[in-house]
Amino acid sequence: GEDVEQSLFLSVREGDSSVINCTYTDSSSTYLYWYKQEPGAGLQLLTYIFSNMDMKQDQRLTVLLNKKDKHLSLRIADTQTGDSAIYFCAVFSGGGADGLTFGKGTHLIIQP
Amino acid sequence: DVKVTQSSRYLVKRTGEKVFLECVQDMDHENMFWYRQDPGLGLRLIYFSYDVKMKEKGDIPEGYSVSREKKERFSLILESASTNQTSMYLCASSPGQVVNEQYFGPGTRLTVT
Repeated sequence: GEDVEQSLFLSVREGDSSVINCTYTDSSSTYLYWYKQEPGAGLQLLTYIFSNMDMKQDQRLTVLLNKKDKHLSLRIADTQTGDSAIYFCAVFSGGGADGLTFGKGTHLIIQP
Repeated sequence: DVKVTQSSRYLVKRTGEKVFLECVQDMDHENMFWYRQDPGLGLRLIYFSYDVKMKEKGDIPEGYSVSREKKERFSLILESASTNQTSMYLCASSPGQVVNEQYFGPGTRLTVT
């Protein structure tokens, strides 16, 4: 089955860019997602990208997909304290109603 | 906006009790999911449903069952709660269309003592 890997922690200074990385194993993955989870809350869909795209930008968020290396990244420009959260990479590989395969999540820690 | 609600934010139950976790979505979504989230393990799929009265096992169905009698409601049942079922339980729904993005509820933190 699909395996999705992320680093557990990332620490950045306020105002810098954050880059959260994710690798996956199934080359037939069609849709790739980034979710954000703030403390005590459920997951919030941030953005997604289709496998036929290389990049998607949405305000401060940039998603890059390297399909050859099966590598996905989320860049947050001008990181703010409100960006402190756990960020999950998730991958959808097939048809039907199967759940997404999630990475274990990256804790983004913002230093003042 | 899509809204997914869960019946409780926090729940404390005793070992051996039968536990019901309820999830309701208001967007007429076809698919609904139950995950558990544990530190260091991320999210793991317990069960999902793609239609009323239909259910499929996820990665870790043991010790759980589900019920979907109405499209908007998906229940997770712990027949006899055990301490290793202490966890955060997250419900999600998706429209069942091509993109398949999932919308999550706020979660229920269950403690089994």
